[in-house]
Amino acid sequence: DTEVTQTPKHLVMGMTNKKSLKCEQHMGHRAMYWYKQKAKKPPELMFVYSYEKLSINESVPSRFSPECPNSSLLNLHLHALQPEDSALYLCASSQVPGHETQYFGPGTRLLVL
Amino acid sequence: SQQGEEDPQALSIQEGENATMNCSYKTSINNLQWYRQNSGRGLVHLILIRSNEREKHSGRLRVTLDTSKKSSSLLITASRAADTASYFCATGGGADGLTFGKGTHLIIQP
Repeated sequence: DTEVTQTPKHLVMGMTNKKSLKCEQHMGHRAMYWYKQKAKKPPELMFVYSYEKLSINESVPSRFSPECPNSSLLNLHLHALQPEDSALYLCASSQVPGHETQYFGPGTRLLVL
Repeated sequence: SQQGEEDPQALSIQEGENATMNCSYKTSINNLQWYRQNSGRGLVHLILIRSNEREKHSGRLRVTLDTSKKSSSLLITASRAADTASYFCATGGGADGLTFGKGTHLIIQP
């Protein structure tokens, strides 16, 4: 299984809502990542988890809260988002934190109203 | 922050022609990767070239790296409609995550 799955595919939420994005991989990878991609822009790194521990937080606002419950699962909890947070949220994984190649999920397209 | 700058930003060619995209980066690197993204979906890894390599091939893809000029190029030969996508160069990886260039949007006209 060489797939990273993400749910939901699409999400519409109001600024007062709380929602979560989910990412799963069963490749035994021990590094997982969240990226944010605005339209016609490249992906930008948000968080890095290494061996289920948060190792990098790229100055992301606290309304985004990542969680890594186990080595296969990565969540991104959303609360009190702003319309400018509307974007494609991409999850990725790599074998180990030092391995360069990343495998990406299809993304969750988020619209904040 | 963005590391690479792709050139051109958009490229439209006829099916069967070759497509060349360029990427420049700013800091020293251990490797450079190219990824493809179809229509706002996930990225797919295409090829990785290490800093001590000058050229690498994979199927219809040819990547070159010039560390003295801090630049790389991706050549897709005999293009197909299915090659229509955005192509990003990326540096870093591993524990630090990837830093992507701005990307080239490639359109293959049938």
